[in-house]
Amino acid sequence: GQQLNQSPQSMFIQEGEDVSMNCTSSSIFNTWLWYKQDPGEGPVLLIALYKAGELTSNGRLTAQFGITRKDSFLNISASIPSDVGIYFCAGHRNQGGKLIFGQGTELSVKP
Amino acid sequence: NAGVMQNPRHLVRRRGQEARLRCSPMKGHSHVYWYRQLPEEGLKFMVYLQKENIIDESGMPKERFSAEFPKEGPSILRIQQVVRGDSAAYFCASSPPDWAGTEAFFGQGTRLTVV
Repeated sequence: GQQLNQSPQSMFIQEGEDVSMNCTSSSIFNTWLWYKQDPGEGPVLLIALYKAGELTSNGRLTAQFGITRKDSFLNISASIPSDVGIYFCAGHRNQGGKLIFGQGTELSVKP
Repeated sequence: NAGVMQNPRHLVRRRGQEARLRCSPMKGHSHVYWYRQLPEEGLKFMVYLQKENIIDESGMPKERFSAEFPKEGPSILRIQQVVRGDSAAYFCASSPPDWAGTEAFFGQGTRLTVV
């Protein structure tokens, strides 16, 4: 089935560093979502983007909806140990329809 | 306001047995989605249901898998005659009828192990 291309696959960074990850697709989405998943848990929504070009922040997290509607990025500034986890992008086309997920970016933060 | 509730959290089945996974959506949510996650992979859409209706089952395997969302009670994902390859985490999400994107919440998942 279709998946988004998410990169990088994993990141090992020092506490305090900034992080950037992105997703690309060959087709257009109307909504881009970014989730975080902790081990043994379900995905938790971090940021939702609804308009091409939209830039949205949630605390230390910033995400943008690409103007082509085929990509999105997520930045985390001044990382802390609790940022550890797997981050997923997801695209959505239709109201009430399914989400298409990226493969995830596993983030490790060294204190 | 309880979130999406899934049970059991962990389920072990022998090959050939049936697995039943339950999902109770958030209060006021009438749309349910099931996703499967294999180790070190993203979530893959399986099926989208509204009360008593299957809206989109394009991600469901053609055999052994079925889903329902009855008028009363939780949504059920049923896997008959399980095989080792069915071992995965199964997540349910729910949303209200007029979902614009942010109102889809996930449960904690059921981790199925087939031995």
